[in-house]
Amino acid sequence: AQTVTQSQPEMSVQEAETVTLSCTYDTSENNYYLFWYKQPPSRQMILVIRQEAYKQQNATENRFSVNFQKAAKSFSLKISDSQLGDTAMYFCAFGAGGTSYGKLTFGQGTILTVHP
Amino acid sequence: SQTIHQWPATLVQPVGSPLSLECTVEGTSNPNLYWYRQAAGRGLQLLFYSVGIGQISSEVPQNLSASRPQDRQFILSSKKLLLSDSGFYLCAWSVLPGILPLHFGNGTRLTVT
Repeated sequence: AQTVTQSQPEMSVQEAETVTLSCTYDTSENNYYLFWYKQPPSRQMILVIRQEAYKQQNATENRFSVNFQKAAKSFSLKISDSQLGDTAMYFCAFGAGGTSYGKLTFGQGTILTVHP
Repeated sequence: SQTIHQWPATLVQPVGSPLSLECTVEGTSNPNLYWYRQAAGRGLQLLFYSVGIGQISSEVPQNLSASRPQDRQFILSSKKLLLSDSGFYLCAWSVLPGILPLHFGNGTRLTVT
């Protein structure tokens, strides 16, 4: 079974600065995907970024980028130029490939607060 | 484009009452459908998933059941709610088996009193 651990229950950052959220996972799978989801106060789950395990290049989406360390089983999220709208709970999630049918394992989440 | 609708948004039910939450997806055919639950201040837990009409797999034994009467409709039910069923329920879909990511609905906040 896979596990996902987010060791930072809460983080805060000043507007326009950079923050990094940590995530580690444990799996015996070789083919898998990793995701960061954002859950703002509206509670809707919004996909922020995804990473395929077979890709060595770190994924980026505008101000969001990841540091994927496969050997260390680490998948951190960096948010650059933080904005007030980034305030949300962030979840790291793991999904095995193949016939996993999209079953994701989520971490416990990190509450990020962006201060003006 | 694909959209997912989930209702109701909020629900307060007494212990022992029945439950029916509905989810529909538009703009795609034969999606994989999922029900997740989020307890207060915690991550999401997969409850059920479905790869086709009438095909339901349960991940966690519990007081709930799921049904898929139509290709793009997924229903979460209970005959008698427990206090422990309170939480935030999210429906999600993906295009094909094993193809990620998941796309989530807006969720239903269920409070069992």
